[in-house]
Amino acid sequence: EIVLTQSPGTLSLSPGERATLSCRASQSVSSSYLAWYQQKPGQAPRLLIYGASSRATGIPDRFSGSGSGTDFTLTISRLEPDDFAVYYCQQYGSSPLTFGGGTKVEIK
Amino acid sequence: QLQLQESGPGLVKPSETLSLTCTVSGGSIISSSYYWGWIRQPPGKGLEWIGSIYYSGSTYYNPSLKSRVTISVDTSKNHFSLKLSSVTAADTAVYYCARLWRSGSGSPGINWFDPWGQGTLVTVSS
Repeated sequence: EIVLTQSPGTLSLSPGERATLSCRASQSVSSSYLAWYQQKPGQAPRLLIYGASSRATGIPDRFSGSGSGTDFTLTISRLEPDDFAVYYCQQYGSSPLTFGGGTKVEIK
Repeated sequence: QLQLQESGPGLVKPSETLSLTCTVSGGSIISSSYYWGWIRQPPGKGLEWIGSIYYSGSTYYNPSLKSRVTISVDTSKNHFSLKLSSVTAADTAVYYCARLWRSGSGSPGINWFDPWGQGTLVTVSS
């Protein structure tokens, strides 16, 4: 099973700042089969990125994903008030699919 | 617009079987392009994949839960269901259903999830 480790656990930033979230896999994720989700309190996760770098439908271009192999990054170029939430990565390169433990982006 | 909605008891006794249904609206569950899946999230914790199903009935389970999980599909009702047996307090979680793409992944039965249902909290307690 591929273990995904997200860092940092919490990111304290101000609106307008750039957020860089890391997702590291315990072994290589084949073909960059990695997704990112945003989750707000009391809501279901929302797909942001799939295939490591493809934005899902309706996702603003301030969200971008990059990486391959074992190291992946989600970047939010300029944080807006609506972006403060928990972010999860998920791999679907090998079964069982697994999620990272999440990074909380909070208002500084 | 495709929507998924979970339904079922919010309280289950220890050692009993948890049963949930996910009703799909705005589209057919019969599609060669998708799987349908279940994910859970204990309060304040992360996400765990439970399993997935194709409309033909083919199933794919997380090995950690496989011995207790059954996922089934009813195409006439456009819904799929989850049964988790011998539950304990550790099974207390918000249970989500979601759609998965069928192509472009490293293994059958897995992919990214989109969209998700709103989730339903199931508490295991006597």
